Amino acid sequence: QKEVEQNSGPLSVPEGAIASLNCTYSDRGSQSFFWYRQYSGKSPELIMFIYSNGDKEDGRFTAQLNKASQYVSLLIRDSQPSDSATYLCAASSGGYQKVTFGTGTKLQVIP
Amino acid sequence: KAGVTQTPRYLIKTRGQQVTLSCSPISGHRSVSWYQQTPGQGLQFLFEYFSETQRNKGNFPGRFSGRQFSNSRSEMNVSTLELGDSALYLCASSTGDSTGELFFGEGSRLTVL
Repeated sequence: QKEVEQNSGPLSVPEGAIASLNCTYSDRGSQSFFWYRQYSGKSPELIMFIYSNGDKEDGRFTAQLNKASQYVSLLIRDSQPSDSATYLCAASSGGYQKVTFGTGTKLQVIP
Repeated sequence: KAGVTQTPRYLIKTRGQQVTLSCSPISGHRSVSWYQQTPGQGLQFLFEYFSETQRNKGNFPGRFSGRQFSNSRSEMNVSTLELGDSALYLCASSTGDSTGELFFGEGSRLTVL
């Protein structure tokens, strides 16, 4: 069983819609959660991190964490074609830097 | 502020050879992590170094090794290359605290023939 699981997609949404990306994790000791965006042929870049239960908003992005359900999500409002990328969910148990990644969800925003 | 620099960006090797990849982290960052990325497996953790010490290691065979120098630059080595080692090798820099925020380099794409 993978420690961080994501639906590989692709997830297709029309421009201007809300894209909802989901992730579950198996290690209850996980404390920090991250969303990275990876464009084709590029390296991952951090877009959001969340440590506490609830929602965290940054511009058009909202990360949601539910530790009881071991569930993390990323909402992208007013999706743009430039948001088309693979989104990687990651978790860390803190302390030493073993950050475990999911295999990513490919998002396609249709103009 | 310069980002994470990885060299070489591309390389082609044959089975049985060995390869060394280099990573220079962001100035002031003391932690360097290495990941292997393949289409089927995604990002797989190799190891993490902090202040020249390996703090964590993933589930890779002993053919994969690394080290970190006093200036925080890191190298990883793969010996006796196999076809399955073909992948994008990503280095990630961080401050090394518990937040786990990683900043990735552009990667070294290794092809083993």
